[in-house]
Amino acid sequence: EVQLVESGGGLVKPGGSLRLSCAASGFTFSTSYMNWVRQAPGKGLEWVSYISYGSNYIYYAESVKGRFTVSRDNAKNSLYLQMNSLRGDDTAVYYCARVPAVPSAGGGYMDVWGMGTTVTVSS
Amino acid sequence: SNELTQTPSVSVSPGQTATITCSGDKLGEKYASWYQQRPGQAPILVIYQDDKRPSGIPERFSGSNSGNTATLTISGTQSMDEADYYCQAWDSGTAWVFGGGTKLTVL
Repeated sequence: EVQLVESGGGLVKPGGSLRLSCAASGFTFSTSYMNWVRQAPGKGLEWVSYISYGSNYIYYAESVKGRFTVSRDNAKNSLYLQMNSLRGDDTAVYYCARVPAVPSAGGGYMDVWGMGTTVTVSS
Repeated sequence: SNELTQTPSVSVSPGQTATITCSGDKLGEKYASWYQQRPGQAPILVIYQDDKRPSGIPERFSGSNSGNTATLTISGTQSMDEADYYCQAWDSGTAWVFGGGTKLTVL
């Protein structure tokens, strides 16, 4: 079964840090492109970050650029999101999602999503 | 502009056709995707590359994209289709962009 499972969420104070993980199974993670997407309480979906299968291409939304870092360990079938200098507007459910192909070649969508992990930034 | 605009809510009677639209500048020149999200659950891909259905998505879901508008159509709407629906597009300048979402109510 194709599956993504996020972990690492929790309550953190403004200015603090948190590292999210996403464990992949049921597909070849090492050749898969991946995204992080978040959803603030009662709000819509917001793309956060993208990483290619070899980590050669990494992109961030302007709202997190310079504060968040995406990485992956293909040997461990795992995706990560290091979040620093957290702010109240980073409070959200964070989803990892698979991007099925190179975005510029028609793969600009997400076909598998995890259940998400909740990050709350509050003093 | 890279924004995608959706009508906040749409209501439909069971068995009728629901039409959800997504508008954006030259959206027809990009691929549009649609996601269904039921309360408390993760999004599910229901349409990709404008009009393709992933395996397991019922045939009553269909999509189109032309000009500045992408459309998700649900024929013979069922109560289980009640959810939030998000459109999404990608381009090299703005990466992944989502619409604000449409809440579909099946009355």
